[in-house]
Amino acid sequence: QSVLTQPPSASGTPGQRVTISCSGSSSNIGNNNVNWYQQLPGTAPKLLILINNQRPSGVPDRFSGSKSGTSASLAISGLLSEDEADYYCAAWDDNLNGPEFGGGTKLTVL
Amino acid sequence: EVQLLESGGGLVQPGGSLRLSCAASGFTFSNYAMSWVRQAPGKGLERVSAISGRDGRTYYADSMKGRFTISRDNSKNTLYLQMDSLRAEDTAVYYCAKAGQWLPYYFDYWGQGTLVTVSS
Repeated sequence: QSVLTQPPSASGTPGQRVTISCSGSSSNIGNNNVNWYQQLPGTAPKLLILINNQRPSGVPDRFSGSKSGTSASLAISGLLSEDEADYYCAAWDDNLNGPEFGGGTKLTVL
Repeated sequence: EVQLLESGGGLVQPGGSLRLSCAASGFTFSNYAMSWVRQAPGKGLERVSAISGRDGRTYYADSMKGRFTISRDNSKNTLYLQMDSLRAEDTAVYYCAKAGQWLPYYFDYWGQGTLVTVSS
């Protein structure tokens, strides 16, 4: 049972905007930065968003992150079929003394 | 180009031991924290352990404390994970990941993973 809660699934049609939520507490999201990872089928995870809302080089600006209080969100605009993947939020947890991952959200592009 | 190459996975019996290695290249290894993250079949990501870049401080998930030991050899640019008293629930793909700084707050590069299967 992760300390970061994500919906198990999300879906959208091509061109749509979808958001994935990540809920935590004062010991993780409330006091630390949130990062997001994308895992395409059969591949290793890839850093998608760091420090709440920063995109690493090469990540399209269709992907954006935000944080408010003890929750965070990943937004994907102009949805593409290639965005079909598992998405994980992550944040340092002060109580557990380590980086914790959310349970993951499987995004389906209909 | 950053490269992380894991090795050492395989089939091991319950109660057995295994040592994973991660050979790193393309960056100044000693400057960055490193981590092991695992993924059981059909499940999500789970942190295993991390080690900082400057002082070698280690971090463990509670379920791995006392059984797993993370270490690094900066002269060989290699990260290790010694796994003892293995259980069936340790079966997973183990990923090596490079942190974006000397503390393991986020991971900007990942290896392709090595599969560990614990079964009799």
